[in-house]
Amino acid sequence: GENVEQHPSTLSVQEGDSAVIKCTYSDSASNYFPWYKQELGKRPQLIIDIRSNVGEKKDQRIAVTLNKTAKHFSLHITETQPEDSAVYFCAASGNTPLVFGKGTRLSVIA
Amino acid sequence: DARVTQTPRDKVTEMGQEVTMRCQPILGHNTVFWYRQTMMQGLELLAYFRNRAPLDDSGMPKDRFSAEMPDATLATLKIQPSEPRDSAVYFCASGRTVGEETQYFGPGTRLLVL
Repeated sequence: GENVEQHPSTLSVQEGDSAVIKCTYSDSASNYFPWYKQELGKRPQLIIDIRSNVGEKKDQRIAVTLNKTAKHFSLHITETQPEDSAVYFCAASGNTPLVFGKGTRLSVIA
Repeated sequence: DARVTQTPRDKVTEMGQEVTMRCQPILGHNTVFWYRQTMMQGLELLAYFRNRAPLDDSGMPKDRFSAEMPDATLATLKIQPSEPRDSAVYFCASGRTVGEETQYFGPGTRLLVL
């Protein structure tokens, strides 16, 4: 089955700097890769997703890149703000349920 | 803005008691997932349903956990008897398909078994 590895597990950045979180997956059949943000005590919420027919997708300050050959995808947050502090999860799926990474705790220091 | 709802939001119980958690998926979503979240294990998939039929519950301890969908608007997760190691946040999520699509999470039930 699918296995998703996520790095780093914790990340601290200064406000205004960029943050990058990386994930690798094992199943070449996976073709859908969402990213979720979970604030403390809240539900995971989708922030951006990408499908295998696209190499990059942007939405304001966040972007996701996908390298299907290498089986890895990354989340990029630019101009980080304190409200970006949260746990971020990557996930991957084909025709089976999403498999989640273990999460990255991002702290943005003002 | 349609959302998945879950009840109760918090539950404190004593070891050995039965716990029932409820979930209302987003109208029109025919796939429902149950997850457990702990600090150590992250998000674990316990079970999922499509069109109310259970497709996979291999993530659940079979002897004490059970999941059902009595109708299209209600999914339940029961623990009987509960144990302290069951303490976690339980999330329900719904979507239009099993894979390849976004899942939308409910607010979770925070369970503490004493």
